[in-house]
Amino acid sequence: EVVLTQSPGTLSLSPGERAILSCRASETVISTYLAWYQQKSGQPPRLLIFGASNRATDIADRFSGSGSGTDFTLTISRMEPEDFAVYYCLLYGDSLTFGGGTKVEI
Amino acid sequence: EAQLAESGGGLVQPGGSLRLSCAASGFALSDYWIHWVRQAPGKGLEWVSRINSEGKSTIYADSVKGRFTISRDNAKNTLYLQMDGLRVDDTAVYFCARVLPRSAVWGQGTLVTVSS
Repeated sequence: EVVLTQSPGTLSLSPGERAILSCRASETVISTYLAWYQQKSGQPPRLLIFGASNRATDIADRFSGSGSGTDFTLTISRMEPEDFAVYYCLLYGDSLTFGGGTKVEI
Repeated sequence: EAQLAESGGGLVQPGGSLRLSCAASGFALSDYWIHWVRQAPGKGLEWVSRINSEGKSTIYADSVKGRFTISRDNAKNTLYLQMDGLRVDDTAVYFCARVLPRSAVWGQGTLVTVSS
């Protein structure tokens, strides 16, 4: 069973700064099935990136994903006030495997 | 627009049962695999269960295996999660979700609180 480990657990930034979030898989995964989600308090998760590097519909271009194999990265080029949230990586398969999440805070 | 809406959450005593429902609109539930995902207060997302489009294949997380049962009524366009033998650590918001490699639809969630 694949385990997804996200780091850091918490990232403290200011608006305008760049955020770099990591998701590491315990074994090689197929990039097609790696996604990133954003979750704000009291809301369901929202799909940001699918296939490791493709932005979902209506997602701002300051969000980008990269990586392959076991190492994946979500980059937010310039933090906007609405981007402070928790981010999860997700591996799609017969079940769903979530990373532990990274909280991006001011 | 494709939407999912959960219902049936509430307060239940340890050892009790609850049945959650997930109603789909804007698409045919019968065309998709559907998942249940939960989130304990202040914690991350935990996958719970999955059912395939025909309803004949189901899988569960080890934490709920033998206690929870996922099912669907495609005629009613509704998914269910029967939860028996509830424990305090089952307390969470439960989401149903249509998750595909390139898209996702999530409900708003329903809160289940297990407490005496």
